[in-house]
Amino acid sequence: GAGVSQSPSNKVTEKGKDVELRCDPISGHTALYWYRQSLGQGLEFLIYFQGNSAPDKSGLPSDRFSAERTGGSVSTLTIQRTQQEDSAVYLCASSLQGVAYGYTFGSGTRLTVV
Amino acid sequence: AQTVTQSQPEMSVQEAETVTLSCTYDTSESDYYLFWYKQPPSRQMILVIRQEAYKQQNATENRFSVNFQKAAKSFSLKISDSQLGDAAMYFCAYSTNFGNEKLTFGTGTRLTIIP
Repeated sequence: GAGVSQSPSNKVTEKGKDVELRCDPISGHTALYWYRQSLGQGLEFLIYFQGNSAPDKSGLPSDRFSAERTGGSVSTLTIQRTQQEDSAVYLCASSLQGVAYGYTFGSGTRLTVV
Repeated sequence: AQTVTQSQPEMSVQEAETVTLSCTYDTSESDYYLFWYKQPPSRQMILVIRQEAYKQQNATENRFSVNFQKAAKSFSLKISDSQLGDAAMYFCAYSTNFGNEKLTFGTGTRLTIIP
């Protein structure tokens, strides 16, 4: 597609439920990133996929968080047993030439855990 | 670990005037990249300008320019002829140049344009 597409745009879920957030990167971009933006904060790195390499999961805050990227394209970020502190905007980005040339970001998913 | 600090939570500027947003960072690396991103209410982060640390010349993109002071680890953004469309959150970010693909962001500066 023309840009990075994320769905849903907004998600309200009850504490303890599982949620899945989807990211559809720009076609041909081999690198895909997930970031979390909590209220009033900068962006916090979560996970990075590059081609067929093992993902860099070093930013995932707990084992309730996981992500996969199927076929080198679409990615899903899953949060199990959601907690109120998981409420944030989850941003996805993709890149063709790597971080040095900047990412193209999606518009994010605003997750609210009630 | 690298850190990025933006000490101005909010700034405002009169339309058509010039404003400078501050950013400092901490790193032990000698080769790295610095970025300014803009985040309007649509939430999408937009790359404004990038700077390679080994280049001494300050980057410029139309009305946007940076003042990169490597020894001082300072990377400020100057917006000239401010326009209403420049109103947004601005984030300074850092990345190493050695395969680590993570961007480290500051906490942002909210820029308001006064008509």
